[in-house]
Amino acid sequence: AQSVSQHNHHVILSEAASLELGCNYSYGGTVNLFWYVQYPGQHLQLLLKYFSGDPLVKGIKGFEAEFIKSKFSFNLRKPSVQWSDTAEYFCAVKTGTASKLTFGTGTRLQVTL
Amino acid sequence: DTEVTQTPKHLVMGMTNKKSLKCEQHMGHRAMYWYKQKAKKPPELMFVYSYEKLSINESVPSRFSPECPNSSLLNLHLHALQPEDSALYLCASSQLDLVTYNEQFFGPGTRLTVL
Repeated sequence: AQSVSQHNHHVILSEAASLELGCNYSYGGTVNLFWYVQYPGQHLQLLLKYFSGDPLVKGIKGFEAEFIKSKFSFNLRKPSVQWSDTAEYFCAVKTGTASKLTFGTGTRLQVTL
Repeated sequence: DTEVTQTPKHLVMGMTNKKSLKCEQHMGHRAMYWYKQKAKKPPELMFVYSYEKLSINESVPSRFSPECPNSSLLNLHLHALQPEDSALYLCASSQLDLVTYNEQFFGPGTRLTVL
């Protein structure tokens, strides 16, 4: 069965610092990759997604992610975080034509002023 | 309308009660999902409906009974739950077609407490 790993469980950054959150998956075939964000008390929102084509994907709120097939990775980045980016971030993978979305364990990002 | 709505927002029930969670979307999506999310954990898939038919059941106990009365509605019937079933229950929907990139849209969830 496929698995998704997010090695950073809790990240604390100061405002304006750069962010990189790791995501690795175990499936060797065709994958669709997603990053979702869950702000405190709010529902899951899609930040960005990768299906095919350019491996560097740009999402909302200045986030981007790079798909590196050889490393089975899809890391999330943002050059300069804001206090409002404080949230839980989930990487998710969908394989082939399956409907199932497998989530990573999540990374809690705390941005301090 | 790009929204998935869920009712109620909060639900407290005893172990002998019967209750239902409701989910609705008007995006024309033909796949709908139930997830369970415990505090500080990722969502865990429970059920998937494709074209109003149950296509995935992730070995969920029978005290959870899903129902998809039409393409816009998804229910989760609850009966004889246990305190460990307390969690946030999320509904999601997505397109379902030959293209694989079916992004899922999530509702705000129902926070369930079982006493």
